[in-house]
Amino acid sequence: GENVGLHLPTLSVQEGDNSIINCAYSNSASDYFIWYKQESGKGPQFIIDIRSNMDKRQGQRVTVLLNKTVKHLSLQIAATQPGDSAVYFCAENHDYKLSFGAGTTVTVRA
Amino acid sequence: NAGVMQNPRHLVRRRGQEARLRCSPMKGHSHVYWYRQLPEEGLKFMVYLQKENIIDESGMPKERFSAEFPKEGPSILRIQQVVRGDSAAYFCASSPPGADTQYFGPGTRLTVL
Repeated sequence: GENVGLHLPTLSVQEGDNSIINCAYSNSASDYFIWYKQESGKGPQFIIDIRSNMDKRQGQRVTVLLNKTVKHLSLQIAATQPGDSAVYFCAENHDYKLSFGAGTTVTVRA
Repeated sequence: NAGVMQNPRHLVRRRGQEARLRCSPMKGHSHVYWYRQLPEEGLKFMVYLQKENIIDESGMPKERFSAEFPKEGPSILRIQQVVRGDSAAYFCASSPPGADTQYFGPGTRLTVL
């Protein structure tokens, strides 16, 4: 948790708009990063990952960007839906241990 | 395919009792990780196990906590003589050999009265 943090604890977004969630990390030795989504009462759900030899990776409605120069990670969600409401965590994997930030709570307004 | 299974989902214990949390990894996964999550916080690494081996327990409290992953059966996280500060959600994750991605179970929410 000490090496990974999120810029904003909460994000409110209108349904249909795009969401951007940011994350900063400080361990330059980390080589693998993951975004997880956690809904209330559930375990973290894998969304997308990226390795340090890449700067962008796209999935279904989600894109992760990695800027190693400033140690910054972001998750973009296109056309945000009510089902996207959750807490989002970025995590860095260093020596198989995941370090999580405190999370960003995303609320989607109808 | 069944995901990571954890039981019980909720566990209530009185101070001084023992808590046993179970985790069955996904099929084909031989690596198990335990994490603890306090309210409004991110997950904190506790221990990493492979079958019959503890690989890294650097996140485990030095006393009262232990973990195992036997050759047969689920991984067990055991907390002896629980205290109120042990109340938290405990998550298990698993991964296959040689892979970095960890997949999480639904967690066990421990409440110590």
